[in-house]
Amino acid sequence: ILNVEQSPQSLHVQEGDSTNFTCSFPSSNFYALHWYRWETAKSPEALFVMTLNGDEKKKGRISATLNTKEGYSYLYIKGSQPEDSATYLCASSGNTGKLIFGQGTTLQVKP
Amino acid sequence: EPEVTQTPSHQVTQMGQEVILRCVPISNHLYFYWYRQILGQKVEFLVSFYNNEISEKSEIFDDQFSVERPDGSNFTLKIRSTKLEDSAMYFCASRRGQGEEKLFFGSGTQLSVL
Repeated sequence: ILNVEQSPQSLHVQEGDSTNFTCSFPSSNFYALHWYRWETAKSPEALFVMTLNGDEKKKGRISATLNTKEGYSYLYIKGSQPEDSATYLCASSGNTGKLIFGQGTTLQVKP
Repeated sequence: EPEVTQTPSHQVTQMGQEVILRCVPISNHLYFYWYRQILGQKVEFLVSFYNNEISEKSEIFDDQFSVERPDGSNFTLKIRSTKLEDSAMYFCASRRGQGEEKLFFGSGTQLSVL
């Protein structure tokens, strides 16, 4: 059984601060790691899907890294803006698409 | 941009009643999923569906649950006799497959069982 853990559970930062979150997952039988951004009352939005050890992906001010050997991924947000406020979910998946989620990190960016 | 749509957004029902949650996945997607999140807990997998049959299901997905793709566009989750502990946000998701790993989620149906 896969167990995905995220930290911190919540985070409050000021506008302009850079921040990062951690996702840890079992490294055995790894297939893919997903990051989602989830705003209240909206659909979880896929940010990144990563499969290769050492992979780094970037989307605007958000980037993510992946270490499959030690079983962790970092999500970075550079220069946080109030619109970045959301819950960030990571999930590990096998090749069937079944996702095992972490508990999420809720980010609040204060203007 | 194509999106997964779910109806209703909120559903209130009495314990023991049947509910049907509806989803319209993205049209060219081949894999379909239901997930749920009980308040304060992790999002958890319920079932996956491919080629008109269940491909995988979790321990949660017992005989009270069923899924159907009745007409090639809708994808439904039925709970035959709801329990209080079925109260959760239910998410539908779809995936194109063919090397595409990204799942696209709907905005969820909040089910409240009284």
